[in-house]
Amino acid sequence: GAVVSQHPSRVICKSGTSVKIECRSLDFQATTMFWYRQFPKKSLMLMATSNEGSKATYEQGVEKDKFLINHASLTLSTLTVTSAHPEDSSFYICSASGGTPLGQPQHFGDGTRLSIL
Amino acid sequence: GDSVTQMEGPVTLSEEAFLTINCTYTATGYPSLFWYVQYPGEGLQLLLKATKADDKGSNKGFEATYRKETTSFHLEKGSVQVSDSAVYFCALRGGGGADGLTFGKGTHLIIQP
Repeated sequence: GAVVSQHPSRVICKSGTSVKIECRSLDFQATTMFWYRQFPKKSLMLMATSNEGSKATYEQGVEKDKFLINHASLTLSTLTVTSAHPEDSSFYICSASGGTPLGQPQHFGDGTRLSIL
Repeated sequence: GDSVTQMEGPVTLSEEAFLTINCTYTATGYPSLFWYVQYPGEGLQLLLKATKADDKGSNKGFEATYRKETTSFHLEKGSVQVSDSAVYFCALRGGGGADGLTFGKGTHLIIQP
């Protein structure tokens, strides 16, 4: 089945550091990638949607200057948490969807646990 | 906006018991409905889906039927196993097909031998 690789799986860093998370589709072309955030005992919340070659669309309440998303190719999207602070600590999950037919299921990465000290 | 409500756990059952996890939704248009499963230490995996009313999704002994009249997509399995212990998420995607998913809060299922 379709595979999405997310890296790193865990990051621990100091407050003020910028952290980059990569999401790769390994065996299909992902025209659309999604970034979610999962709080403890809470649901996954969609942060943003990115289409290859265009600017990401952010959900209401998500700071686009804090969470920079780049989708430069059909197999790679990155999320950079800039100047991270303890409140940014969370579990971040990406998913990828192929282009046609529209409505293909999303395939999820294994997530990145970000801990800001 | 769209929303998904599912029963919160943990739900604890004995092996071979019958399972139902309720899920209801509100959405405009004609959403697609999904159940995802997250096993301990792993990422989300698609369990089953249904894209239109009265469709039944099934996989690994699990079933769910898209009920438009009751806006529900309840997950069922006739005989659960210890290996089914996981967190189950009900989700929907809007009618456009290119949108992100809206998830329920997840139901933690614990199956005891």
